[in-house]
Amino acid sequence: GAVVSQHPSWVICKSGTSVKIECRSLDFQATTMFWYRQFPKQSLMLMATSNEGSKATYEQGVEKDKFLINHASLTLSTLTVTSAHPEDSSFYICSARDLGHLTEAFFGQGTRLTVV
Amino acid sequence: QKEVEQNSGPLSVPEGAIASLNCTYSDRGSQSFFWYRQYSGKSPELIMFIYSNGDKEDGRFTAQLNKASQYVSLLIRDSQPSDSATYLCAVKENDYKLSFGAGTTVTVRA
Repeated sequence: GAVVSQHPSWVICKSGTSVKIECRSLDFQATTMFWYRQFPKQSLMLMATSNEGSKATYEQGVEKDKFLINHASLTLSTLTVTSAHPEDSSFYICSARDLGHLTEAFFGQGTRLTVV
Repeated sequence: QKEVEQNSGPLSVPEGAIASLNCTYSDRGSQSFFWYRQYSGKSPELIMFIYSNGDKEDGRFTAQLNKASQYVSLLIRDSQPSDSATYLCAVKENDYKLSFGAGTTVTVRA
């Protein structure tokens, strides 16, 4: 199957700082990438849909100025958590759709963010 | 996001037994359904997907879909300790977004 690489796999940052998470499709082009957040014992909640070359579409309740998404190329989307606070500590997961396999999305390894 | 309901479990089965997982969804117009397995601290990995009513088998896994009842299930035959994980049901919305259930935790006892 297609490979999606997410980096870093874990990060610890101080409250008030910003953290950037990268999501790359390694062997396919992804016009659409999805960013999810998962709190312990809970399911994945879609935060935003990232479209190459255009603005991301955010889900209701997700602050677009706090979670900045950039999808500058067909293989890279980034999520920047700005002015992070402890309540932003979570597991962030990206997924990408392969144009050749429209039915499924492939997930990155996830990023464990801890804000102290 | 549309509603997707799963029993949270935990579901405990002995090794070699069949594990049966259930999922219901609210949007009658949903067309595509997915089962993911997620190990603790890892991202989900796709087990299988199903579009048509009836059964779809892949190795030890069988997905069953009943659109009239808005119900999709996953059977794991000959359960192994390595099958111990959280299983997520996902439903694709018309605009290709996935809505996930909360997941069912399965423990296979050796």
